[in-house]
Amino acid sequence: DTAVSQTPKYLVTQMGNDKSIKCEQNLGHDTMYWYKQDSKKFLKIMFSYNNKELIINETVPNRFSPKSPDKAHLNLHINSLELGDSAVYFCASSQDPRLTLSYNEQFFGPGTRLTVL
Amino acid sequence: AQKVTQAQTEISVVEKEDVTLDCVYETRDTTYYLFWYKQPPSGELVFLIRRNSFDEQNEISGRYSWNFQKSTSSFNFTITASQVVDSAVYFCALSESTGNQFYFGTGTSLTVIP
Repeated sequence: DTAVSQTPKYLVTQMGNDKSIKCEQNLGHDTMYWYKQDSKKFLKIMFSYNNKELIINETVPNRFSPKSPDKAHLNLHINSLELGDSAVYFCASSQDPRLTLSYNEQFFGPGTRLTVL
Repeated sequence: AQKVTQAQTEISVVEKEDVTLDCVYETRDTTYYLFWYKQPPSGELVFLIRRNSFDEQNEISGRYSWNFQKSTSSFNFTITASQVVDSAVYFCALSESTGNQFYFGTGTSLTVIP
């Protein structure tokens, strides 16, 4: 069983388009995250949601909008795509670190490679 | 300021050599958590280990071992008798008790040459 899944795995699109990446976790976790990994492999958190509530919103263009229909899903919608948005986007989930006595690791999805032409 | 520093950008070793990947972190919290992740060429991020700040005991898992030293704010990772399958990018990460996000280092790309 896949713990954290993302679709699509690859996404190639033209500048200016709007696209979405979906993420689902079946681990029963309360907290989900989106990360961006650039061409130099640098991983940077974008958003964190806990029980459908936005917890972390790093400095990300407002063209990026996360949506969490329920605690098992966190989708990422991107408007007006730009060349600089090309990257690998990772979804992750964990137990709520504010509730557990021991911080639990984040489980990552397989990543979505976005290429903007 | 970078909270997690992995000074080694790329390392190449010959198969069966031992290799140590360095990780230095910075935090003012007394309670924090450190992690190592592996990202093989296939691209997924694989969890390797978690260590909390109150547990300085070193850990060994097969050919992998981790050396946590609070005095030097380091959490180094050693692979003994390296194998080609160890070739990957390895990330060290920190999480502080005051927040719920990870701070990842910039990664060390390890190449094991057969």
